[in-house]
Amino acid sequence: DAKTTQPPSMDCAEGRAANLPCNHSTISGNEYVYWYRQIHSQGPQYIIHGLKNNETNEMASLIITEDRKSSTLILPHATLRDTAVYYCIVSSSGTYKYIFGTGTRLKVLA
Amino acid sequence: DAGVIQSPRHEVTEMGQEVTLRCKPISGHNSLFWYRQTMMRGLELLIYFNNNVPIDDSGMPEDRFSAKMPNASFSTLKIQPSEPRDSAVYFCASSLAASGRNEQFFGPGTRLTVL
Repeated sequence: DAKTTQPPSMDCAEGRAANLPCNHSTISGNEYVYWYRQIHSQGPQYIIHGLKNNETNEMASLIITEDRKSSTLILPHATLRDTAVYYCIVSSSGTYKYIFGTGTRLKVLA
Repeated sequence: DAGVIQSPRHEVTEMGQEVTLRCKPISGHNSLFWYRQTMMRGLELLIYFNNNVPIDDSGMPEDRFSAKMPNASFSTLKIQPSEPRDSAVYFCASSLAASGRNEQFFGPGTRLTVL
């Protein structure tokens, strides 16, 4: 599975969009990009995933570049409850193994 | 849906004691995972079951660790004997593996402290 690189931390003002980047330059054609978040002491929570098209759900949007070497998770209107560590993971549909990196610690500021 | 259920939520034990962690996956899911999280090593996959069969236990740190899944609705992770370095948060996750979708749903975790 491809490795990912994320900034260690980011701040975002409450009500503004939070844009969390992820580099996955070694991603292969059958690998999906998954995003999870972990709010303090809780289990990781699935947010969204995609293969090559942009995706949107009730929680967030996922923008994947055309070459698929990077992606951005967008929380359109961040709230204090979005403060968490966000993990970007690449994994093929035929495998189960997630490799969790160190993620991005997002702090939403009032 | 109740989500993934883990018990106990907190466990404090003394070195050398046996510890058993329990997990009830989401009904209908066919895959179950045990993870361990520490500050030093982050989140690590310990073992993966598919249709109740262990598929990959390469992450199990040593023979003191064992996991079972006797049926589709229950799994245990046992540490015998426990050591202080086993102190961590242990998460169970389940998923319904299908083409293009293998998102995992995590339980609340068991915080284990071995004194």
